This record gives sequence, structure tokens and C-alpha cells, in this order.
Amino acid sequence: AQKITQTQPGMFVQEKEAVTLDCTYDTSDPSYGLFWYKQPSSGEMIFLIYQGSYDQQNATEGRYSLNFQKARKSANLVISASQLGDSAMYFCAMRGNSGGSNYKLTFGKGTLLTVNP
Amino acid sequence: GAVVSQHPSWVICKSGTSVKIECRSLDFQATTMFWYRQFPKQSLMLMATSNEGSKATYEQGVEKDKFLINHASLTLSTLTVTSAHPEDSSFYICSASRDSSTQETQYFGPGTRLLVL
Repeated sequence: AQKITQTQPGMFVQEKEAVTLDCTYDTSDPSYGLFWYKQPSSGEMIFLIYQGSYDQQNATEGRYSLNFQKARKSANLVISASQLGDSAMYFCAMRGNSGGSNYKLTFGKGTLLTVNP
Repeated sequence: GAVVSQHPSWVICKSGTSVKIECRSLDFQATTMFWYRQFPKQSLMLMATSNEGSKATYEQGVEKDKFLINHASLTLSTLTVTSAHPEDSSFYICSASRDSSTQETQYFGPGTRLLVL
């Protein structure tokens, strides 16, 4: 079984500063993918960044980077130079390749990020 | 690319009626579509996985006779909430994948807010 843990229900950050959102995971799959999504108050789920379990380098997408520490089973999201528009709920998710799983996404409970001006 | 639409975005209905929600992949063919339910301030809960031309796979605890899923084509999946009751009021969101690889993200629709009176 796969499990995603996000221990921070809420986080606050000052505009223009960097913030790290924590995510740890547990899986027995040898190959898996880790994803971060942003959900603003409108409800849509916006894909931010992906990290593969065999990727040697940490993923980066613009102001988003993923601090992937495989041995510690953590995949923290780092947002640099926070903007007011970054205020949203952030979900960490994992997709494995267990037989019969249909490659489902397992989501964490989310972290509500508030960016203060 | 990889746009998913959902219709309607809002629906209010009387208890006992049925409601159909459509999920369309606009610019790609989706081998698999997923239906989620999200209660306020909670994470996404997977209801079922829908594969084109075959029966949907429901998650444990989800009533297949109440939540009917039809994946008629590679671009359209529908969720019908039959005999809706107030406890079915929720945010329903679909997603679609282009393939089943672990690195392929799911692209989410904008969601449908259902209110059953």
C-alpha cells in the first residue's frame, strides 16, 4: 500500500521569501512517481512538478523545485520568491506501478499555504 | 495541451433526482479517467477508475449502483449520481491520463460542485 504524509496543515510565508512544504511517502514499489499539485480556492487541480524515483537530479520547474531524498522517502516542495497568487492548498501525490493498481494517484492531506504581503 | 473539461461546473438538485457529470479530454485521448470526491478542507478521495470500453473499477466503500460511470469513448467519461441525497453534496473532480506510465501526470478537470437539497 502507498501512503503520503503531509504534516503541515497550514504554512505562512512572507511575499518574496522561499517556503518548503513537507512530504514523506511510503511504498513498496521499486518504481514510482511523485507529484505536487496546487489547488486554489476555485477548486481546480494544477500540476506543478514531477519527480521520478530513478531520477538522479531534483526536479525544477520555474520557481518550484523538489527536494527529493530517496533514502529518507521525502519529496519536499520548495517555492522560491513567493507571490500572493501562490496562496492555495498544495497536495503531494504518488503514483506507483503495482500490478492492478491502474497507476492510481495517492494523495496527502494537503498543506494550506498563505502568502502574506 | 492536455486540457480536461467538466460540465456542469455547478449543479443544484432536489433529493431523489439523478445528476450526470461529464468529463472530456479536449486535446488528447485518455486511456484512463479517474473520478474523485472532495469534501471541504479535505483531500481528494478516489471513487473509481474508468477505462474506455470496459467497466469501471470502484474503490472500496463506493457504491457502484449509486455512482454510475460510463467511459464511452477515449475523450468522454460520465459520472451519474443516482437518487442523490444531501449527503452526496460534494465537489466532484475528474482527471485523465494519456497513458499508464508512472511518470505521466493526471490532468484534472475544473470540478463540479453538487448541492443536493
